[in-house]
Formats: sequence, C-alpha cells, structure tokens
Amino acid sequence: NAGVMQNPRHLVRRRGQEARLRCSPMKGHSHVYWYRQLPEEGLKFMVYLQKENIIDESGMPKERFSAEFPKEGPSILRIQQVVRGDSAAYFCASSLTRQGSGTDTQYFGPGTRLTVL
Amino acid sequence: DQQVKQNSPSLSVQEGRISILNCDYTNSMFDYFLWYKKYPAEGPTFLISISSIKDKNEDGRFTVFLNKSAKHLSLHIVPSQPGDSAVYFCAASAAGGSYIPTFGRGTSLIVHP
Repeated sequence: NAGVMQNPRHLVRRRGQEARLRCSPMKGHSHVYWYRQLPEEGLKFMVYLQKENIIDESGMPKERFSAEFPKEGPSILRIQQVVRGDSAAYFCASSLTRQGSGTDTQYFGPGTRLTVL
Repeated sequence: DQQVKQNSPSLSVQEGRISILNCDYTNSMFDYFLWYKKYPAEGPTFLISISSIKDKNEDGRFTVFLNKSAKHLSLHIVPSQPGDSAVYFCAASAAGGSYIPTFGRGTSLIVHP
C-alpha cells in the first residue's frame, strides 16, 4: 500500500512539551499539505510544502508551529510548547503536481490525533 | 468567516433512497468544487469533483450539481447504501489560492438498513 502515511496515529503531550508529526507522501508525490481539524470543525489548511521549500504557510500560526519537507525523509509538522488548544486531528495530504490545474487530487493520510493534557 | 458552509450537521436516510447533501459558498472566485468522504479514524477520501464550467458531474451512484448563480452545490447519492454512512465534506478552491481547498464542516450521513 503506497498511500499517505502518518505517524504517530495518536500523540499525547503535556502542556509545554513539543509535538512532532510525520508524514510520508504517496510514492512519486512531491507536494505535501498539512491540515488541522478541531472538534466539530472542517479541515483548516495550514501549510503547503514542496521538497525543501515552503510554498504557502498562510494557514499556519506564526508562533510555535513550523513545518519542513526535507530532500530525504518525511515531512515534519512541529509544534513547540503545546497548549490545550492545539488538541486536534492533524491531516497530511499529498498530490502529484502542484494544485495549479485544479484537477489534481489530494490524497489524505489517516491523521495524527494530538491530545494535550 | 466560513466561505464554505454545510448547514446540515447530519442526515439520516433509508437504504435504497436518495441522499442529498447540500453545500453553499460565498466566495465567487471559487471555480473548482470537491466532495470528500471520511470514515471515523481515517483521512478524507476524494469522492467527486466539478469545475465551474459545468453544472453536473456524475460518477456511478454519485452526482454533483452546481448552481453558480445561487452559489450552491449538492451531492446526490442514489441508491444510498449502509456503507455510505460517513462524514461528507464539501470543499472549494480557486486558481488565485493555488487551488488549495477550503473545507466545510461536514455532514454526517447515516444510511439505515
């Protein structure tokens, strides 16, 4: 199965700790997107990355959050000094091409459920 | 402000009947619309899409209708099956936004046997 992989599936952190969420895109995909879903909410776009580049981070909070997609290895979403409000499901998606045509589909991973105690 | 609205949080339908899920949008720049289906503990799965140059797109039991003047789209599932029970997200995108979709809050569909 060459689908989008995310790990861990569940992550529990205490306030003030760091959370690292990993995403391996589908084979051959070089475009990665991170979304956050708060309870009873839809998915909110956070950041769009290509290999070694952040293309669009307009949805990402300015503080404590960062993302990377290195040349080798998975994409990482990093949340420093987590707070209770960071508790959510974080989904990663990948696509084959840049979503410029509107017809390329994003394929989603199963998500990481972050709980901040 | 919610640019994509799914005003029905839930919908219950009998197996074999038609399910109609509705979605409204406010941004007139949106020109591509998608529906995603999501089971618990899984990521969303792409279901069907439609470009603003069309008013209907059909794929098997799933049909999406787009009414641009009303800024409204709907997903029809016929006949509905118990396996269709899931949360359905409407999403819209625009060329100016690099086609990154904006999602609605979802409608939970339950299809009763």
